Amino acid sequence: AQKVTQAQTEISVVEKEDVTLDCVYETRDTTYYLFWYKQPPSGELVFLIRRNSFDEQNEISGRYSWNFQKSTSSFNFTITASQVVDSAVYFCALSEAGNRDDKIIFGKGTRLHILP
Amino acid sequence: GAVVSQHPSWVICKSGTSVKIECRSLDFQATTMFWYRQFPKQSLMLMATSNEGSKATYEQGVEKDKFLINHASLTLSTLTVTSAHPEDSSFYICSARLLDRNSQETQYFGPGTRLLVL
Repeated sequence: AQKVTQAQTEISVVEKEDVTLDCVYETRDTTYYLFWYKQPPSGELVFLIRRNSFDEQNEISGRYSWNFQKSTSSFNFTITASQVVDSAVYFCALSEAGNRDDKIIFGKGTRLHILP
Repeated sequence: GAVVSQHPSWVICKSGTSVKIECRSLDFQATTMFWYRQFPKQSLMLMATSNEGSKATYEQGVEKDKFLINHASLTLSTLTVTSAHPEDSSFYICSARLLDRNSQETQYFGPGTRLLVL
């Protein structure tokens, strides 16, 4: 069975600080996909990244970076020099390739507050 | 990128009425669409998988007779909440699956529909 755990329910940091959002996953499949989505107050999900299980390279996109560690089943997300516009709920998610319908299972989300 | 729309974006209805929510893939065909429900300050919970031309597959605990799903075309799936009650008030989000040029499957999410049942 697949499971995604985001232990941090809510985080508050002051603008310009760096912040890391943790994500730990469980799966029996050897091939799977990990995602991060941002959900601002408007509610619309914003896709941030998709990573497949065979690609352990860390990724950087502007102020965003992701650290994928298969050994610890973690896929953490770091925002560098945070800005107020980064305030949102962030979801980590998992999809098993062996699942015919490619269902995406979401973690409970981390609510991030960036204080001015 | 691919676009998925939902209509309506919000709806208020009286208890006991039925509400239909549409999910459309605007610039691609989607044989599979998904319906999620999100209660305030909670995560997205998958309700059902909608496959074009066949019956939807419901997740455990989701009443198929209450949440009717129809995926009659490759660009449209509808979710009908029948005899809605206040506890059905929630944010309903759909997604559509697209097979891209690299044969990788990606889901694109709609903007969501807020349902308030009085």
